[in-house]
Amino acid sequence: GAGVSQSPRYKVAKRGQDVALRCDPISGHVSLFWYQQALGQGPEFLTYFQNEAQLDKSGLPSDRFFAERPEGSVSTLKIQRTQQEDSAVYLCASSMGLVGGEQFFGPGTRLTVL
Amino acid sequence: GESVGLHLPTLSVQEGDNSIINCAYSNSASDYFIWYKQESGKGPQFIIDIRSNMDKRQGQRVTVLLNKTVKHLSLQIAATQPGDSAVYFCAENTKETSGSRLTFGEGTQLTVNP
Repeated sequence: GAGVSQSPRYKVAKRGQDVALRCDPISGHVSLFWYQQALGQGPEFLTYFQNEAQLDKSGLPSDRFFAERPEGSVSTLKIQRTQQEDSAVYLCASSMGLVGGEQFFGPGTRLTVL
Repeated sequence: GESVGLHLPTLSVQEGDNSIINCAYSNSASDYFIWYKQESGKGPQFIIDIRSNMDKRQGQRVTVLLNKTVKHLSLQIAATQPGDSAVYFCAENTKETSGSRLTFGEGTQLTVNP
C-alpha cells in the first residue's frame, strides 16, 4: 500500500474488555514498531519487531499487553482486560531496514476505555 | 478530530515569519535525531533528520541545528505558512538500542496566524 494503515481508527471499550488493534505496514518493510501516545504527550515506545521476531518488548506497560507479527507483515496489538489508563492513541510505524532509517507512521487507533 | 496539544508548550507566529522550535535531550549517547510534524488526528510525519557527526542540516524551508555540548536541538521553519500549524516533536535514537526505537520529546504546538 501507499503507507502504513491501522484499524480500527477509533475503538471504545468497556473496562475489562479485550481489544485487538491491527497494523498493516508498508509492503517489504522489515521493522515494525508500536507506540502509545497519551493526550498531550509524545509517543512512547511499546515494542519492536524485525520480521516476525519480537526483539524488544521492554515498553509494554503490563502483561495485559501482547503483540504479534506471525508472518512478518501485519501486526496485532492486543490488550486484555482493558483499564481506563489504557486510553490513548496507539501508533504503528514501519521502516525498511534492520537498524535506523526513517520510520513511517500510521494514523493511529484511538482507544477509549469507559 | 482529536487534539494532542492540550498541555503542550505553544508557539504562535504570523504567516511569513520564521519559526524556531527548540528541544532538549538528555541521552548523551544519542546519535540520530529526527523532527516530526503531527497534525490533529494523524500520525507523526517525518520532516528532517540529523546525525550526531553534523551540527546543521537544511531541507526545503527547514533547518535543523544540533548542539551536542548542551544537548540541544532546534528546528527552524522559514516563511511559516498556515499549513505548518501542527505539533512538532523531536525524537532521538541510539545505535546501541535494538531496532532503533525512538524516544520522543515533549512536543510544541505551532500556530500560524494568517
